[in-house]
Amino acid sequence: SAVISQKPSRDICQRGTSLTIQCQVDSQVTMMFWYRQQPGQSLTLIATANQGSEATYESGFVIDKFPISRPNLTFSTLTVSNMSPEDSSIYLCSAVTFGTSFEQYFGPGTRLTVT
Amino acid sequence: AQKITQTQPGMFVQEKEAVTLDCTYDTSDPSYGLFWYKQPSSGEMIFLIYQGSYDQQNATEGRYSLNFQKARKSANLVISASQLGDSAMYFCAMRASDYKLSFGAGTTVTVRA
Repeated sequence: SAVISQKPSRDICQRGTSLTIQCQVDSQVTMMFWYRQQPGQSLTLIATANQGSEATYESGFVIDKFPISRPNLTFSTLTVSNMSPEDSSIYLCSAVTFGTSFEQYFGPGTRLTVT
Repeated sequence: AQKITQTQPGMFVQEKEAVTLDCTYDTSDPSYGLFWYKQPSSGEMIFLIYQGSYDQQNATEGRYSLNFQKARKSANLVISASQLGDSAMYFCAMRASDYKLSFGAGTTVTVRA
């Protein structure tokens, strides 16, 4: 199984600033994703992080607000730009490793509070 | 579009008893996967069990088993011999051929001593 780390684990940020979240996987994975979980809600997919090219965003999410990079097979970043209190959420990185099974794992999440 | 429905917002279970969490899904994709995750108060998503749409047998992982009824489009999670540490939010999710996960609303499980 893949081990996924994220940092920071949590942060408190001021309105109007930006935060970059890092996601590192301990093995080469095929696909990486970023999810958001707003307080008391389920998880929503933000985008698919594509290696060496622009991320693929889901409806309601745009690159200017959530720029994503994936320079190699094991690392990705998500930036939350020009933050507002509505961006307060848990942000989770997820990865799929193809092999004998198709489990899909998540990082521990980044708990963001915007004041 | 995929849709996942978890109709039980919260469940109480006595320690050492079994509990069944309901999940129904809707998809037109012939190939898909069904997942259950546990989310404790820390916020991490812990993978519990996976069932492929073409798998003939129901998946089992220790105390977790998935009751997969393809014709009814249901994928219920059974937790046997509940423990206090099982108290958490549980999410059912479906992954289609594009490997994107769609999640249900979740069920909160509280295990009573």
